[in-house]
Order: sequence, then structure tokens, then C-alpha cells
Amino acid sequence: QSALTQPASVSGSPGQSITISCTGTSSDVGGYNYVSWYQQYPDKAPKLMIYAVSNRPSGISDRFSGSKSGNTASLTISGLQAEDEADYYCNSFTSSSTYVFGNGTKVSVL
Amino acid sequence: QAQLVQSGAEVKKPGASVNISCKASGYTFSSYYIHWVRQAPGQGLEWMGTISPTGDRTFYSQRLQGRVAVTRDTSTSTVYMELSSLTSEDTAVYYCGGERSGTTYFDYWGQGTLVTVSS
Repeated sequence: QSALTQPASVSGSPGQSITISCTGTSSDVGGYNYVSWYQQYPDKAPKLMIYAVSNRPSGISDRFSGSKSGNTASLTISGLQAEDEADYYCNSFTSSSTYVFGNGTKVSVL
Repeated sequence: QAQLVQSGAEVKKPGASVNISCKASGYTFSSYYIHWVRQAPGQGLEWMGTISPTGDRTFYSQRLQGRVAVTRDTSTSTVYMELSSLTSEDTAVYYCGGERSGTTYFDYWGQGTLVTVSS
């Protein structure tokens, strides 16, 4: 199972919106609405930001939103803030009953 | 407060095995899948495997199949991950993550365990 494809880096100015893509196949992203997104700061454990494509856990800002079209899922961060600077990973359930992560995207706030 | 607490850092020689524990508290352990995820230095997250709430089913990454084994002790709310035939490429931080059964996302995480493989 190859890693899902994410851009290595995305940047934006404070207040702007950015979108991170996550491309897989019909055996993972495209086949199920089981895509989740995680935020990770250096030397910290990942934190769940979005589940089931577009749902936010309790306590997660509504500046974070998710969507999916075909084999590509997306995470959008609106009103970008300095605290959003982190690594972001998508994850999908697969047809083998396993899971696969994306290769990760470093978000920089200019 | 739900929590997953992992065992401490390990240093192993090439060819050895490592066993890491993940102890749950503060929630219904029997309702959760426990997953293992690792992160090599400067690299991304890699899903390794998972065990069902009752411990009767396990699923592993094809890449690690045959080298990884996840077990569960419901009496102590602890899950164990053993990785064998270690090489330097297994040097990483290993995390356990909790998935409420059937939800397919990981909403609780352990603090991570650094495993260093060096001769």
C-alpha cells in the first residue's frame, strides 16, 4: 500500500485560506468516506482535526474543514493563524481493512 | 480523561526484537481498536497495524507483515506491539492510537516511544 499523495509544503499569510490535497485510489480515499486528518507539532503526538471526510471533533475550530471528490480529499484552513503552522497528515481506511497515511504537508504561515 | 500511556524508550541491536506497551485508562477499553503508528526521524507517519476490542482480530501493514505482532491483555487494559528482526530503518518514534470501534479514526494517542536500533 503506497502512501497517499500530499504536497510537501503549503504556505499562506495570516488570514488567508489554504487547501491541502490528499490523493489516493479507488481502494482507499475514493472507495470510502473514511478519511481523517491529523495535525502534528514537532516532537508531539498527532491530533485529530477532521474525521469521516468532513466532520470536526468537539473543540476543533470551524476554520478547519474537509471535503472529498473522487480519489482526492482536501483539508482547508481558513483565516490562517500562526498557531496553524504544523505538519498535516491525511489517513484513509482501505479495501484490505488496513489504513494508510499521506506523506504529510508542512504548513507555513508567512 | 481518556489516556494512553506507553512504555519507555528502548535501544536495541540489529536483529533483535522490541516490545512496546500501551496502557489505557479513563474510557471503555473494550470498545476501542488500538492502532500502532511509527515515525522515523524527519519522516511521515506510517500505519503499522491494529487489534480489535476483543483481541480476536488483527490487521497489519503489508510492508511489515511477518515482523509485527499486536496483542491485547484486557485484564490490564494494555496492548503490546512486538517488532522483530530490527534494522536501523526501524529507528523511530512509535505511537499507539485509539479508535472507538468502527469509527475509523484515531481520537486518542499515546505519548510515543523512541526505539533506537544501533550496533
